[in-house]
Amino acid sequence: QVQLVESGGGVVQPGGSLRLSCEASGFTFRSYGMYWVRQAPGKGLEWVAFIPFDGSDQYYTDSVNGRFTISRDNSKNTLFLQINSLRFQDTGVYYCAKGNGWWPEHWGQGTLVTVSS
Amino acid sequence: QSALTQPRSVSGSPGQSVTISCTGTSSDVGGYNYVSWYQQHPGKAPKLLISDVTKRPSGVPDRFSGSKSGNTASLTISGLQTEDEADYYCYSYAGYNWVFGGGTKLTVL
Repeated sequence: QVQLVESGGGVVQPGGSLRLSCEASGFTFRSYGMYWVRQAPGKGLEWVAFIPFDGSDQYYTDSVNGRFTISRDNSKNTLFLQINSLRFQDTGVYYCAKGNGWWPEHWGQGTLVTVSS
Repeated sequence: QSALTQPRSVSGSPGQSVTISCTGTSSDVGGYNYVSWYQQHPGKAPKLLISDVTKRPSGVPDRFSGSKSGNTASLTISGLQTEDEADYYCYSYAGYNWVFGGGTKLTVL
């Protein structure tokens, strides 16, 4: 069955960086677009980034454009999110999700990013 | 891109039906038939309930149904069960942009 396991979260100071990873199994990773979605504490879901199956392009929500970079390594079935210039409002759980067409289908359990001074 | 508009909360008794609305614009909900609904229990990852406005993935009970009219999509849950108490989020594709609703807390009384 589809499994997505995120890692790389932690506590970081404002302005700092983190690299999140998402290891995928149970499906042909190289055939599917992938998403990052985040959820601030006690708040709703927010789409962050999308990358097509072949990594040919990247799409971002406005608030992270220029600071976050989504990428993938299809040889290692792994999705990444490089997050730079972190702000307090970037705090939250970051989920990776397997796409099915234009929506997230299966979700990982998430990794917590906390921006704190 | 603004979030889609959902009621903050709805409630119902076991066995009853509830409907959660999701209002967007002609650039998202009204412009594409790519509306999805997700259920999220506290501390858990979201789970896909409905895709393509009306399609249920395998394993999702037929008590959950989706529809759309113009710029507003709806999720109806019939025969409410206590385990349906959760947060529900709508979601729409918006032309290489993706937007969620603010979420609706369903309380089963």
